[in-house]
Amino acid sequence: KAGVTQTPRYLIKTRGQQVTLSCSPISGHRSVSWYQQTPGQGLQFLFEYFSETQRNKGNFPGRFSGRQFSNSRSEMNVSTLELGDSALYLCASSLGGTGRNEQFFGPGTRLTVL
Amino acid sequence: AQTVTQSQPEMSVQEAETVTLSCTYDTSESDYYLFWYKQPPSRQMILVIRQEAYKQQNATENRFSVNFQKAAKSFSLKISDSQLGDAAMYFCAYRVPTSGTYKYIFGTGTRLKVLA
Repeated sequence: KAGVTQTPRYLIKTRGQQVTLSCSPISGHRSVSWYQQTPGQGLQFLFEYFSETQRNKGNFPGRFSGRQFSNSRSEMNVSTLELGDSALYLCASSLGGTGRNEQFFGPGTRLTVL
Repeated sequence: AQTVTQSQPEMSVQEAETVTLSCTYDTSESDYYLFWYKQPPSRQMILVIRQEAYKQQNATENRFSVNFQKAAKSFSLKISDSQLGDAAMYFCAYRVPTSGTYKYIFGTGTRLKVLA
């Protein structure tokens, strides 16, 4: 079974631009979560989607948004990029149910904002 | 506030030796899971070990084991017989139910260096 894939792996943008990141979960997984990883901050939760609905949201400004498609693939969009948005963005998928469901992470997208 | 604290930004261990990574957390929930994730330099995060809060027995996965002290809200990871491939960032996390779903809280990570 293929793992979680994220595209692109690397992005360089300038301040003020917008960016869209993509995540394809493991087949059969209905939950997709997004995290921002920066040195010293660890992983900060952005949001979770389940069956095309945002089920949970972290404390990020409205410039960060996402969506999930019927095939469970998810996209994350960041508008009006700021220098501080430079980070590794990780996507994780899970079955989405209760109990011992674990998250499986993708390799991440490294975003650099100049 | 729900937090996870990893007080050791960096640790070193000699190959074949044992190392313990510490983690403390703060939650008022009684039903939760605890995890240790490993992130090698290639950046793909993988699950190392998990512990259900309602289980008193410490989880073990081959060379990896945890010391779960629920009252102290402590969840340390012990790596025995350390190998060069163990070098990575290690993140402690817990998952709590919230509003019909779950929320994962991660620590800031501990970078483990394994010395040959």
